[in-house]
Amino acid sequence: KAGVTQTPRYLIKTRGQQVTLSCSPISGHRSVSWYQQTPGQGLQFLFEYFSETQRNKGNFPGRFSGRQFSNSRSEMNVSTLELGDSALYLCASSLEQGGNTIYFGEGSWLTVV
Amino acid sequence: DAKTTQPPSMDCAEGRAANLPCNHSTISGNEYVYWYRQIHSQGPQYIIHGLKNNETNEMASLIITEDRKSSTLILPHATLRDTAVYYCIVRVSYNNNDMRFGAGTRLTVKP
Repeated sequence: KAGVTQTPRYLIKTRGQQVTLSCSPISGHRSVSWYQQTPGQGLQFLFEYFSETQRNKGNFPGRFSGRQFSNSRSEMNVSTLELGDSALYLCASSLEQGGNTIYFGEGSWLTVV
Repeated sequence: DAKTTQPPSMDCAEGRAANLPCNHSTISGNEYVYWYRQIHSQGPQYIIHGLKNNETNEMASLIITEDRKSSTLILPHATLRDTAVYYCIVRVSYNNNDMRFGAGTRLTVKP
């Protein structure tokens, strides 16, 4: 079956703009998590959604937000973009909240100029 | 979650077994050991996980010491496509999906 699908794959935004990234989990998976990966900070947890509710949140400012729809698809939004937001944003899904195995998508490369 | 220690880099000859070590001396009794790998510009790929018994799947074997303070990921016949950064993670799987990735081991498989 299809893996975790993220769109867009690459995008360039200007400082101050906002961006929305989309994620479709593996069919049947109900938990979706988002991560940010940068060369300096490595891979960091943003938040996790399950049953349309945010269940856990990492240590990121309120400019980073997300939501989950009834079909388990998820979006994350970053407002007032800063240069430091340039990163690979990864979505991952698992069957349940805190599911045994988490599967990652290919990520969305965001460049802020 | 407990932290892990991995060597920053390793080389392996193509066709030979690649043995990647991981120390997790502060692991708790309910924490699993997970291994992922990441090939440049792609998302992390799940490899294997275990609690205290050794595990094997089509990709690799996971050997966990009896005291659970360390583990070894074994790729039995490494290929050039196995060149990647390998991450060892410990987590309480039923807690949440806050996966704490360290710096990992950069494995280079050489012809």
